[in-house]
Amino acid sequence: AQRVTQPEKLLSVFKGAPVELKCNYSYSGSPELFWYVQYSRQRLQLLLRHISRESIKGFTADLNKGETSFHLKKPFAQEEDSAMYYCALKFGGSARQLTFGSGTQLTVLP
Amino acid sequence: DTAVSQTPKYLVTQMGNDKSIKCEQNLGHDTMYWYKQDSKKFLKIMFSYNNKELIINETVPNRFSPKSPDKAHLNLHINSLELGDSAVYFCASSLSPSNSPLHFGNGTRLTVT
Repeated sequence: AQRVTQPEKLLSVFKGAPVELKCNYSYSGSPELFWYVQYSRQRLQLLLRHISRESIKGFTADLNKGETSFHLKKPFAQEEDSAMYYCALKFGGSARQLTFGSGTQLTVLP
Repeated sequence: DTAVSQTPKYLVTQMGNDKSIKCEQNLGHDTMYWYKQDSKKFLKIMFSYNNKELIINETVPNRFSPKSPDKAHLNLHINSLELGDSAVYFCASSLSPSNSPLHFGNGTRLTVT
């Protein structure tokens, strides 16, 4: 079955330090991967998708099909990056096949 | 303000009661969804409607009944509430069933006592 695993429930880093939020998926076909973010008291929103291959708020994520990973990285974390981050896998064309990981709570310490 | 809005934000009720959660989107999207976030923070899809038609109905007790009066609204009615129904319920919308991304509402925290 298709699955998304985020092994870290909580992650703390100091401001200015690099941060990496891990995401692994299991799917035999061609996946479409996303990172969603939920800041405190705000709604869940799309951060980036692997198809776009873009950097949003300094974050990047590269799809590694060999390792079935889609880790989210930022070279210098900021306090405003503190939030809940969800990795999501979409396969096929219907929303039924959008599977979320359990999320990682990132705290950036001053 | 264009968004997905759901009401109420918090809902506390007793076992056995019937309650509804409302969702509206003014983004002009065709597709709307209900997701449930359990205590372990897993987000699972429950239902999806496209242009008022049910297109996804995951394994959900039939005490849960979605209703879509028009494509801008998707309400969730829950009968005979149980303790295990306590969760955060998120409404979301997208341009079409195959077109991401999803736009989420702020969530409704349901507590069944």
